[in-house]
Amino acid sequence: SQKIEQNSEALNIQEGKTATLTCNYTNYSPAYLQWYRQDPGRGPVFLLLIRENEKEKRKERLKVTFDTTLKQSLFHITASQPADSATYLCAGRNSGNTPLVFGKGTRLSVIA
Amino acid sequence: GAVVSQHPSWVICKSGTSVKIECRSLDFQATTMFWYRQFPKKSLMLMATSNEGSKATYEQGVEKDKFLINHASLTLSTLTVTSAHPEDSSFYICSGLDRGNSPLHFGNGTRLTVT
Repeated sequence: SQKIEQNSEALNIQEGKTATLTCNYTNYSPAYLQWYRQDPGRGPVFLLLIRENEKEKRKERLKVTFDTTLKQSLFHITASQPADSATYLCAGRNSGNTPLVFGKGTRLSVIA
Repeated sequence: GAVVSQHPSWVICKSGTSVKIECRSLDFQATTMFWYRQFPKKSLMLMATSNEGSKATYEQGVEKDKFLINHASLTLSTLTVTSAHPEDSSFYICSGLDRGNSPLHFGNGTRLTVT
C-alpha cells in the first residue's frame, strides 16, 4: 500500500540550530508533497508544497527538498526557535482530488 | 488565507446518543471535503471523501451507517456519529479542497468523548 514514512517520532534540537526532518515514500510516486504543522489539539496548518519536478522550495526560514531518486523529502527549519516546537506532518498526493496520504509526523522540540 | 471553521471544538456525550460535527469553508468553495480521525500521537486517518451534492466515499473499515456525512453545499459538510460508543472517542478533523492541486485547509478539529 502507499506509504509516507516519517521515521523520527521525535526530534530535539537547540535553539538557533537547523532542524532537518525526513519523509520517505514507498509504493507510489506522488505528484507532489506537502508539509503541515500541527499544534496539540489543533488541526494541521499548511506550510509548503513541492512538486515532483521541483528540487527545492523555500519560504522564509523553511526549506523543503524533493528527491525522486531517493524517494525522499527533507524539511529544514533554519535558526530554529522554541516557537517552532510542534508536530510536522509530511503528506503526498498523486493528483487532482485524490486524498492526501499522511505520515505519522515528527514532534520537534526546540530547546532554549 | 483560506479558513475552515469546525464546530464544536469539543463535545462530551453519553453512549448511544448521536453527535453532529459541522465544517464550513468561510472564504472559499470546498468542492471536496475530507474527514479524518486522529488518535493520540498517531497520524491522520482518512475516514471519507465527500463531493458537494453526491454521496461520500468511505475508506475501508469505516462504517457509513455509523458515520453519516452530508455535503449539502460548497461551504458546508457535516459528520454525524450515530449511536456513539466509547470507542468512537477521538479527535475528528475536517478539511476542504479549493482546487485540485491546492493544499488542504483544515478545521481545528473536534474532540469527542463518549462516556
